[in-house]
Amino acid sequence: GAVVSQHPSWVICKSGTSVKIECRSLDFQATTMFWYRQFPKQSLMLMATSNEGSKATYEQGVEKDKFLINHASLTLSTLTVTSAHPEDSSFYICSATNRAAGNTIYFGEGSWLTVV
Amino acid sequence: AQSVTQPDIHITVSEGASLELRCNYSYGATPYLFWYVQSPGQGLQLLLKYFSGDTLVQGIKGFEAEFKRSQSSFNLRKPSVHWSDAAEYFCAVGAAIQGAQKLVFGQGTRLTINP
Repeated sequence: GAVVSQHPSWVICKSGTSVKIECRSLDFQATTMFWYRQFPKQSLMLMATSNEGSKATYEQGVEKDKFLINHASLTLSTLTVTSAHPEDSSFYICSATNRAAGNTIYFGEGSWLTVV
Repeated sequence: AQSVTQPDIHITVSEGASLELRCNYSYGATPYLFWYVQSPGQGLQLLLKYFSGDTLVQGIKGFEAEFKRSQSSFNLRKPSVHWSDAAEYFCAVGAAIQGAQKLVFGQGTRLTINP
């Protein structure tokens, strides 16, 4: 079964609304998680580093006020796309590292966001 | 900062033929290197990874990759491809951030298999 779970897998929302995506590590604690975005037929780009109990670190060009990241517990990070627009439609995927298992990286299943 | 280049955007091979996908990286320290495969509309599946030790790494589905420090390369190979290998392949280099691994991905190589 999935070691890192993302929810929802698919979401359609209207322009101007906000949508929240959850990334949960199921069998281990992850003080640091990462959020990536993948536009159709493109590669994965790191958006931000999610830090438990502190502010996220955003990559250059990623708007922190638009992509709100909260990492309130050792097993859960959330990405909220605020005031979504069609250009935010993308595949969002998170990852977490299990340090107790040889620093194994686990990716979530990904979340497809379509903004209409 | 680390970076990854996959020179080939699209490769087509015949079923049963051998395959090599190229990957070049840039990283100041000893790199953590990965190959992932992604089928259309799906998430990522790890094929193999290199952290240290033997420079020839065996992965799943019959794939292997060889780390060559002198060439800054980590090319993926398979001796005989199957139609089910058609997918997008991503090479990635990792950097440790607070004990976790942040990945920088290459542009990807789309593999098409001719019957």
